[in-house]
Amino acid sequence: AQKVTQAQTEISVVEKEDVTLDCVYETRDTTYYLFWYKQPPSGELVFLIRRNSFDEQNEISGRYSWNFQKSTSSFNFTITASQVVDSAVYFCALSEYKAAGNKLTFGGGTRVLVKP
Amino acid sequence: EPEVTQTPSHQVTQMGQEVILRCVPISNHLYFYWYRQILGQKVEFLVSFYNNEISEKSEIFDDQFSVERPDGSNFTLKIRSTKLEDSAMYFCASSEEANSGYTQYFGPGTRLTVL
Repeated sequence: AQKVTQAQTEISVVEKEDVTLDCVYETRDTTYYLFWYKQPPSGELVFLIRRNSFDEQNEISGRYSWNFQKSTSSFNFTITASQVVDSAVYFCALSEYKAAGNKLTFGGGTRVLVKP
Repeated sequence: EPEVTQTPSHQVTQMGQEVILRCVPISNHLYFYWYRQILGQKVEFLVSFYNNEISEKSEIFDDQFSVERPDGSNFTLKIRSTKLEDSAMYFCASSEEANSGYTQYFGPGTRLTVL
């Protein structure tokens, strides 16, 4: 069975600080996908990134960066120079590869509060 | 940019009543999903739908739930006899085919309140 653990329930930082969100996953599949979604106070789920299990290259997108390490089953997310607009709940999610669609298994989420 | 839409944004109903939540997936997507999020908790998978049939469902998705794609654009979730514990945010999602890695794009959600 798949499982995603986000050990940090809430992180509070002051604007311009960096913040790293941890994500640890469990799966028996050799092919799988990892995702991060952002849920701002307005409630919608916004897709941020997808990673394939066979691609361990780290990725940077603006102030966001992701560190995928298969050896430790982790897919951590860093926000550099945080801004108030980054305040949200961030979810890590996992899906296995299937031919006819696939369910996402979400972690419990990490609430990030960026104070001015 | 194409997006998933959901109606209504908020639905209030009495326990035991039937509700239908509506979704319009992104037009070229083939896979459709429903998830729910009880207030303050994680997002939970309910059901996936492909080629006019359910491809997977969770243990939450019991006989009280059903899904339908009544026409070429809508995707609905019906709860036949609502319970207090069905109160949650319900998200619809859709994704393209396998070569896109099944990235799921979510609608804004319908908040269901059962009284």
